[in-house]
Amino acid sequence: DAGITQSPRHKVTETGTPVTLRCHQTENHRYMYWYRQDPGHGLRLIHYSYGVKDTDKGEVSDGYSVSRSKTEDFLLTLESATSSQTSVYFCAISGGRGHAFFGQGTRLTVV
Amino acid sequence: DAKTTQPTSMDCAEGRAANLPCNHSTISGNEYVYWYRQIHSQGPQYIIHGLKNNETNEMASLIITEDRKSSTLILPHATLRDTAVYYCIVRGNFGNEKLTFGTGTRLTIIP
Repeated sequence: DAGITQSPRHKVTETGTPVTLRCHQTENHRYMYWYRQDPGHGLRLIHYSYGVKDTDKGEVSDGYSVSRSKTEDFLLTLESATSSQTSVYFCAISGGRGHAFFGQGTRLTVV
Repeated sequence: DAKTTQPTSMDCAEGRAANLPCNHSTISGNEYVYWYRQIHSQGPQYIIHGLKNNETNEMASLIITEDRKSSTLILPHATLRDTAVYYCIVRGNFGNEKLTFGTGTRLTIIP
């Protein structure tokens, strides 16, 4: 399995609090992605990164920010969590021409 | 990004070949066709990808039409463990690495 780790795996937080999810890779891959998955929807891209400090928005980026200060870490931040952000979050990595590897997911509940 | 269209769901008898279609009529010349699957709530798993030639690996075969506007994923001898949601994705290379998922096909293998 590719070296990709998401933390935490589960989190419950209160509405209005900031939350940061971490994706860590040991593959030195250039591309990293954050997705969310909700019942009735497939995976929806939140943000992605194509290099250190190079990020771009996906289709559901409102309410989320990301940072990538080094190759191995891609952080997803919910500045002020809302109940609509209750979801399962997946991180993925890709080296470019090859395929993507996905993490095991983070289940976030905002109460 | 090129869009993909897949049937919402399919059934297949155990031991038979499962053929999953995908339409990608707006695919451009440098875009690859990727297939992933997601079993229950796990992270998506890579299956196979191709550009214009048919491809085969230990998991599946990928048949891409000559005009590249559609493709078929073939699981030659489906087992119960192949029950999953299958995603067909079109993805570029060299600067267009966004990885966008549709809603996929829910494949159910019938005993």
